Amino acid sequence: DGGITQSPKYLFRKEGQNVTLSCEQNLNHDAMYWYRQDPGQGLRLIYYSQIVNDFQKGDIAEGYSVSREKKESFPLTVTSAQKNPTAFYLCASSIGYSGNTIYFGEGSWLTVV
Amino acid sequence: DAKTTQPTSMDCAEGRAANLPCNHSTISGNEYVYWYRQIHSQGPQYIIHGLKNNETNEMASLIITEDRKSSTLILPHATLRDTAVYYCIVNAGGTSYGKLTFGQGTILTVHP
Repeated sequence: DGGITQSPKYLFRKEGQNVTLSCEQNLNHDAMYWYRQDPGQGLRLIYYSQIVNDFQKGDIAEGYSVSREKKESFPLTVTSAQKNPTAFYLCASSIGYSGNTIYFGEGSWLTVV
Repeated sequence: DAKTTQPTSMDCAEGRAANLPCNHSTISGNEYVYWYRQIHSQGPQYIIHGLKNNETNEMASLIITEDRKSSTLILPHATLRDTAVYYCIVNAGGTSYGKLTFGQGTILTVHP
């Protein structure tokens, strides 16, 4: 089946550690996105990528990093510099960057202990 | 992007049509209306979108008023699995695309 796969679904991290969330899509989409959702809140854009080897900061990029070495993969690293990393993280993709429907993965829960 | 206003919650009996309203009075001419839904602890699921004409797919129908200031999402035969938070979003694409503004949405509860 075509879709967006995020892993792991649940992740616990100790303070001071970096952690990487995986996102893979087999939809042949050019654009990919990372969002953060806090309980009872809307989505906030962390990073987005319009094409391979290119990415841009979203509204809350501080403490996060990404790479886009392959079209189908867009991993997100939550660094120790992120002050409040406990949240639900959503990866998404669209055919192109402009005017196309965005489809979401199932999300990853990150808890800092 | 234009802001949207939705009721906080709605109830619907199983098997009946669920009609979810959305106001977007400041929508621009190039902005689409999108609907997503989200079940707790899952990613948002795309339902339908439209510009000015009514749209229908296998999940739902979207009715947009002629002045485009409001719309209604219709789930024709609601089931218990349709219980979710429903988000109405307007988005123009271009440089604002990706910055989807998910408001509080409407909590739809489908009961037996």
